Amino acid sequence: EVQLVESGGGLVQPGGSLRLSCAASGFTVSSNYMSWVRQAPGKGLEWVSVIYSGGSTYYADSVKGRFTISRHNSKNTLYLQMNSLRAEDTAVYYCARVFGIAAGAYYFDYWGQGTLVTVSS
Amino acid sequence: QSVLTQPPSVSGAPGQRVTISCTGSSSNIGAGYDVHWYQQLPGTAPKLLIYGNSNRPSGVPDRFSGSKSGTSASLAITGLQAEDEADYYCQSYDSSLSGSNWVFGGGTKLTVL
Repeated sequence: EVQLVESGGGLVQPGGSLRLSCAASGFTVSSNYMSWVRQAPGKGLEWVSVIYSGGSTYYADSVKGRFTISRHNSKNTLYLQMNSLRAEDTAVYYCARVFGIAAGAYYFDYWGQGTLVTVSS
Repeated sequence: QSVLTQPPSVSGAPGQRVTISCTGSSSNIGAGYDVHWYQQLPGTAPKLLIYGNSNRPSGVPDRFSGSKSGTSASLAITGLQAEDEADYYCQSYDSSLSGSNWVFGGGTKLTVL
């Protein structure tokens, strides 16, 4: 059974850093494309970042240069290092597995339960 | 403002049929990219509902169906049930943005009267 469990969220001051983790089971993270998607309180979904099985990474313009996606193959875990955090980064962060045959057809077939990040002084 | 436009809310009585629209542009839906739909029950994570415009994952009732035409897509729910009350999001890909850019609609809250 596929399962994704996020952790690492919490309260952080503006300008601070936080690292989110997403432990996967039931499949191999390094063989799949994995993403982070966030949802600000009361708002819609926003794609944040993706790491392809080959290691290429991409980011939404809103987080480019501040967030870094990575994975630990032996731990079967996905990470999101978030630096220079801003109030507008406050959101529930979900990790999700990406599935599909091409970038224009990719979708998110499994989601974790999410972890809340609050950026406030 | 979301790249894909959805109505903020729709409602229907039990047993009725409702549709949720998702309007894009020539750089996303109109460019031929697939549209996918997610259901988010209150307080839970999104769940894949429809993929590849009109395909249902295993376990999703056939009361849910998706379609796409031109620069828009639609999600239809027939035989509305109380447990369908949730937020629904469409998702596609946008080629006008740099890198890999998947985009979502702003979401539609479905109320079962």
